[in-house]
Amino acid sequence: AQTVTQSQPEMSVQEAETVTLSCTYDTSESDYYLFWYKQPPSRQMILVIRQEAYKQQNATENRFSVNFQKAAKSFSLKISDSQLGDAAMYFCAYSLGGGGADGLTFGKGTHLIIQP
Amino acid sequence: EAEVAQSPRYKITEKSQAVAFWCDPISGHATLYWYRQILGQGPELLVQFQDESVVDDSQLPKDRFSAERLKGVDSTLKIQPAELGDSAMYLCASSLERLNTEAFFGQGTRLTVV
Repeated sequence: AQTVTQSQPEMSVQEAETVTLSCTYDTSESDYYLFWYKQPPSRQMILVIRQEAYKQQNATENRFSVNFQKAAKSFSLKISDSQLGDAAMYFCAYSLGGGGADGLTFGKGTHLIIQP
Repeated sequence: EAEVAQSPRYKITEKSQAVAFWCDPISGHATLYWYRQILGQGPELLVQFQDESVVDDSQLPKDRFSAERLKGVDSTLKIQPAELGDSAMYLCASSLERLNTEAFFGQGTRLTVV
């Protein structure tokens, strides 16, 4: 079974600074997808960024970028120029591709605090 | 903007009672997921539908949980009888296809079993 591990229960960063959230995963598959989801307090979970395992280039979305190390099974999220609105729980997630059952396997999450 | 609708937002029920949650996915989304999120944890998949068919229910406690999506649109998740350990947030999500397109989540139903 696939597992996702987020080793940082909580991270704190000053507004406008950069923070990196860590994620490792375990799988025997070669084709899969990795995601970072954001869950603000009392609001629904939203997709931040997604990475296809077959792509060597790291995904970027505005201030959000990932460092995908397939051999090390590592998938970290970097948030640049942190803003107060970035405060939330961040979940790393894994999903198999190929048209089969593709439900997400989530880590336990990292609580990100933005200090003004 | 289209959203995944869930009701009720909050539910308090007594142990051994039956409880049901409803989800209406974004129009046109063929794939629907139910997740359970225990406080302080990440969501875990309970069941996945493709249209009206179950694709994966390997983590659904079938002795007490059931899920249906009769017309391939909205879905109901039922627990009977509820146990104290069922207290959690129940999240519904939908996606356009099964090939790992973005999953859109609802706001969830917060269940408290007393």
